[in-house]
Amino acid sequence: QITLKESGPTLVKPTQTLTLTCTFSGFSLSTSGVGVGWIRQPPGKALEWLALIYWNDDKRYSPSLKSRLTITKDTSKNQVVLTMTNMDPVDTATYYCAHRRIAAPFDYWGQGTLVTVSS
Amino acid sequence: QSALTQPASVSGSPGQSITISCTGTSSDVGGYNYVSWYQQHPGKAPKLMIYDVSNRPSGVSNRFSGSKSGNTASLTISGLQAEDEADYYCSSYTSSSTLEVFGGGTKLTVL
Repeated sequence: QITLKESGPTLVKPTQTLTLTCTFSGFSLSTSGVGVGWIRQPPGKALEWLALIYWNDDKRYSPSLKSRLTITKDTSKNQVVLTMTNMDPVDTATYYCAHRRIAAPFDYWGQGTLVTVSS
Repeated sequence: QSALTQPASVSGSPGQSITISCTGTSSDVGGYNYVSWYQQHPGKAPKLMIYDVSNRPSGVSNRFSGSKSGNTASLTISGLQAEDEADYYCSSYTSSSTLEVFGGGTKLTVL
């Protein structure tokens, strides 16, 4: 049974760096073809893909946010970490992590964590 | 503005069928058979309903079906039920550096 859960601060100040952790079970990020991605959703708005990391450490980023994002994995801890620098109120959103395989959709999602950016 | 275009809302009565469209370009929807559909109830995470244009994951009702013609993909829900009331998002692989694009979402109301 695959499960994922996001954790991190619920409130950050403008210009701060956000660090979110996705802790998962039921699969390994050392298995060929497996990946974990981050997707966010501002309140009342659409989903937006942010970043993705694969078992082989291949990393992909949304071009519009690439300069602010870093995704890493800790295979031994079954965790994926996303950092986003220079947070702004427009970055207020629910942040989800999700499992996928190469050439496949996000099939398992975490419950999401709401991050509010405010001074 | 989302990369894929969906109608903001659709509605239907119980037992009816509805179709939600998702329009992209030849660089995403039209160029690959990697279109997915997600259902999202309020306050919940998205749930995968359709992948690779028309495939259903295990456990998803066969009332949900997907198709594609040119640059437009479609999700059809037959035999509408009250529990189908939710937001629906399409997504597609894209050849641009974005890798994956989502639609703006469609709110389905079951009358």
